Amino acid sequence: DIQMTQSPSSVSASVGDRVTITCRASQGISSWLAWYQQKPGKAPKLLIYAVSSLHSGVPSRFSGSGSGTDFTLTISSLQPEDFATYYCQQGASFPYTFGQGTKLEIK
Amino acid sequence: QVQLQESGPGLVKPSETLSLTCTVSGDSINGYYWTWIRQPPGKGLEWIGYIYNSGIIKYNPSLKSRVTLSLDTSRRQFSLNLSSVTAADTAVYYCAREKGRGDSLDYWGQGTLVTVSS
Repeated sequence: DIQMTQSPSSVSASVGDRVTITCRASQGISSWLAWYQQKPGKAPKLLIYAVSSLHSGVPSRFSGSGSGTDFTLTISSLQPEDFATYYCQQGASFPYTFGQGTKLEIK
Repeated sequence: QVQLQESGPGLVKPSETLSLTCTVSGDSINGYYWTWIRQPPGKGLEWIGYIYNSGIIKYNPSLKSRVTLSLDTSRRQFSLNLSSVTAADTAVYYCAREKGRGDSLDYWGQGTLVTVSS
């Protein structure tokens, strides 16, 4: 299985801050990388697919980049509604796997 | 707007079979990869498998011997059966739609908590 490792596991930040979350795959996954946001008690929501494509309705302050094995999710200016847990997911090979999650908390 | 809704028992006894159904509305059920994911309380996400047009099914090898997925296009539903459950199968189970092979999960159900306990 491809292991997806996110860092950091948790981060504290303030409204208006720029935040970057990293996801590393244990082997190359081409562009089969997606990012999700999950709030407590809710289903995950798709933010970004194919490394850098923004899902419909997602604010432009979210962006993704990377290639091969190393990927990043950046939130350019944190808003109160962005405090949540973020997961990366690879779709390059079976079984699809997720990162362990990064919890973004209010400082 | 695509909507997915899970349904099924919230409590299953150990060694029995967990059965869930996901009902799709707002779009065709054909041409997509219908997926199940689970999340144990306080933990991360685990991909269980997907079914595509009934003929293509992929399972997570860690669950393969116990999982069966099926698709009923006339009812716009797909289903998950997980046999011989233990407490380790206690989780929130989500159904979701994968846009294309290897692509992302663009629509999710709200999730349903299934507890395995006697």
